[in-house]
Amino acid sequence: NAGVTQTPKFQVLKTGQSMTLQCAQDMNHNSMYWYRQDPGMGLRLIYYSASEGTTDKGEVPNGYNVSRLNKREFSLRLESAAPSQTSVYFCASRRTGENEQYFGPGTRLTVT
Amino acid sequence: AQSVTQLGSHVSVSEGALVLLRCNYSSSVPPYLFWYVQYPNQGLQLLLKYTSAATLVKGINGFEAEFKKSETSFHLTKPSAHMSDAAEYFCAVSDAGGTSYGKLTFGQGTILTVHP
Repeated sequence: NAGVTQTPKFQVLKTGQSMTLQCAQDMNHNSMYWYRQDPGMGLRLIYYSASEGTTDKGEVPNGYNVSRLNKREFSLRLESAAPSQTSVYFCASRRTGENEQYFGPGTRLTVT
Repeated sequence: AQSVTQLGSHVSVSEGALVLLRCNYSSSVPPYLFWYVQYPNQGLQLLLKYTSAATLVKGINGFEAEFKKSETSFHLTKPSAHMSDAAEYFCAVSDAGGTSYGKLTFGQGTILTVHP
């Protein structure tokens, strides 16, 4: 199993550009999550999807949208990137009935 | 609402010395608690978890943590540090059941440096 995969690994955007971060898991997990990691702030939840067909806001959703395309895939979209969105983005998934989340390798995004 | 505080953003130890990384949590419901490790330029890997069974939890790579409800703490320890333990460590809390859908609240992280 590949686990949780994310693309791209690195991305540089100019202010105002848009892009979509892709995440896929092959563990048949129901729940998926998007976090951002900033120095000294740990990881903060952007959006999550408890199951296929549902999405909900997390702690820091402003400026982002998500799509749970199917059970495997959960994408994060930046419609108009801002320098404040420079961060490392992690996708995670969780099996219903278990407690731990499994994380992808991350996408390092820089907005200039 | 839940919160996690990790005391000390940087901890430095000598190889072979005791490692102690501190984590205190706040939760209005019984918590599940986790320690994750992040090596440079990698994702997060689960070290260990507390889910209301034994209060002393053993994890991978010789790490363990003790859940102390009276102190609302879940400190991470390792008797003898190894150079390969150098990484950033995150404590996280989730509520045990309820409607949180397994959402994790993370602490700020502690960077562990191990000196020869």
